[in-house]
Amino acid sequence: EAGVTQFPSHSVIEKGQTVTLRCDPISGHDNLYWYRRVMGKEIKFLLHFVKESKQDESGMPNNRFLAERTGGTYSTLKVQPAELEDSGVYFCASSQVLAGVETQYFGPGTRLLVL
Amino acid sequence: AQSVTQLDSHVSVSEGTPVLLRCNYSSSYSPSLFWYVQHPNKGLQLLLKYTSAATLVKGINGFEAEFKKSETSFHLTKPSAHMSDAAEYFCVVMDTGRRALTFGSGTRLQVQP
Repeated sequence: EAGVTQFPSHSVIEKGQTVTLRCDPISGHDNLYWYRRVMGKEIKFLLHFVKESKQDESGMPNNRFLAERTGGTYSTLKVQPAELEDSGVYFCASSQVLAGVETQYFGPGTRLLVL
Repeated sequence: AQSVTQLDSHVSVSEGTPVLLRCNYSSSYSPSLFWYVQHPNKGLQLLLKYTSAATLVKGINGFEAEFKKSETSFHLTKPSAHMSDAAEYFCVVMDTGRRALTFGSGTRLQVQP
């Protein structure tokens, strides 16, 4: 079974440009999460989808970040316009709840560098 | 609010010696606790999880962790380190009622030959 995949693996852009990150969850997983780790900091939650609905977006830093999950399959995270402080690693995770237990499986991350 | 403290940012051991990575948590409810590992240039891999069953949890690659409610700790151990264990380890908590994971700051494990 394929794991969580993320594209691109690396992205280098200039301040003010737009970048779109993509996440493909494990097939059949209704829950999809975005997290990020900026340099020297902890990994922080951004938001949570259940199918195509945003369940919790309390971690989104500001309105330059837009996440979508049309059709409840893959998700995109757009940063527009990108700022220097957006540099970091963006992780996606997916899960399903079995017998009341949830485990989140992570993708390899997208390393974003804003110059 | 939940939080996780990993007491050591770096741990260095010799190959074949025991590993201890320390984690303390605070949580308002009965938490689920996890350890994830990230090898260089790889994604986060689940090592083990505690979800209110047995307090001693066994994971992959010989790792285990013990949930101690009285000490609010969830330390990760391995009897004998291998070179391939060199990586960054994250202690993670999930409160009941909220699905977002809260990560510790990570512990980088070095294994010396």
